Amino acid sequence: DSGVTQTPKHLITATGQRVTLRCSPRSGDLSVYWYQQSLDQGLQFLIQYYNGEERAKGNILERFSAQQFPDLHSELNLSSLELGDSALYFCASSATGLTGQETQYFGPGTRLLVL
Amino acid sequence: QQQVKQSPQSLIVQKGGIPIINCAYENTAFDYFPWYQQFPGKGPALLIAIRPDVSEKKEGRFTISFNKSAKQFSLHIMDSQPGDSATYFCAASGSGGGADGLTFGKGTHLIIQP
Repeated sequence: DSGVTQTPKHLITATGQRVTLRCSPRSGDLSVYWYQQSLDQGLQFLIQYYNGEERAKGNILERFSAQQFPDLHSELNLSSLELGDSALYFCASSATGLTGQETQYFGPGTRLLVL
Repeated sequence: QQQVKQSPQSLIVQKGGIPIINCAYENTAFDYFPWYQQFPGKGPALLIAIRPDVSEKKEGRFTISFNKSAKQFSLHIMDSQPGDSATYFCAASGSGGGADGLTFGKGTHLIIQP
């Protein structure tokens, strides 16, 4: 158990809809990362937050957004969903995220299926 | 553009053998190279990581070899066991600014046969 929690575990929705994925980092970790894992693209970095502020952006679509709240939990919002958004979404956390050399601890993921 | 290339895509090894997984990177700004292990239905978990100032690092049965000039690194699993059957990902990141997310290879599905 990494100490990172994600809810829900599974999510089934329809095209065009909007969903919110939630992540709670390990106790004491200030930085949260979101990743998407799909069969064709593999594991891709989406976005990073540090202590409530956006720190880095990866391959995140404009239809996707995220935020980190004062209690450090984070939410990933996916809107105007398309079939191709079906994937596993992982949240990871690290102590500070101020360098690229910290261990990132991954949660169990949310499996999203868009029908 | 794939910045970390991983091979092979899948690998079958007999118990006790030494599976070797290779990765190559392009971005010279990368300075941290972790390996993650992922079991079905679970998130990736850090196995071992190396920085480019060393050429080899061992932790238990897992060894990373790093060749900075060739921009390549590899994972060796000594005395492999059926419990090592999983998907292994190499990754890279840089501390020099820009995105601090990990750039992952495509993964290697490893099966250790009893």
